[in-house]
Amino acid sequence: DVQVLESGGDLVQPGGSLRLSCAASGFTFSSYAMSWVRQAPGKGLEWVSSISAIGASTYYVDSVKGRFTISRDNSKNTLYLQMNSLRVEDTAFYYCAKEGCSGGSCYKTFDNWGQGTLVTVSS
Amino acid sequence: DIQMTQSPSSVSASVGGRVTITCRASQGIGTWLAWYQHKPGKAPKLLIYAASSLQGGVPSRFSGSGSGTYFTLTISSLQPEDFATYYCQQANSFPRTFGQGTKVEIK
Repeated sequence: DVQVLESGGDLVQPGGSLRLSCAASGFTFSSYAMSWVRQAPGKGLEWVSSISAIGASTYYVDSVKGRFTISRDNSKNTLYLQMNSLRVEDTAFYYCAKEGCSGGSCYKTFDNWGQGTLVTVSS
Repeated sequence: DIQMTQSPSSVSASVGGRVTITCRASQGIGTWLAWYQHKPGKAPKLLIYAASSLQGGVPSRFSGSGSGTYFTLTISSLQPEDFATYYCQQANSFPRTFGQGTKVEIK
């Protein structure tokens, strides 16, 4: 079975840093783009960042550009999100998600998600 | 950025009833659209990709249609497990964007 499991969420002060991890299993990790999506308390889903299968290309929502860095280690089947200069508005559940593909084509969707890890930014 | 607008923001329906949710894109996205179901405390679940293709394992009472800027998700016969929040997502370009969500509640 495909599984992705996030970890690393914590309570951190504004301006602080945190690194999230996402351990993947049950699929060929190095063949799929991966993403982070977040949900702030009482709000909807917000895409945060994506990385291509081999890590050559990365993409970010404007609100985290220059502060967050997505990366992956295909030898460890693990996705990361380095979060620096954290703000109160970054408080959210952070989900790791695998790119959706079917029949040899990929559809730029998120077909397997983890349960999420909670990041709380507060003084 | 492409803005995604869902309506309604919430809907009440009975078990066995039919629900249709609409999603409008601020510019044409072809059929690069997905629908998700999200329940509190759970991982979001992909229902529909490419506007109308049913994800494996998803019941056939879920269907999607549309192209360009107008899309719909229909649940033909609501079951108790379908009460949740539903989101559309455009997959045409970065930044990927979601609609604001539609909460389907029990009538």
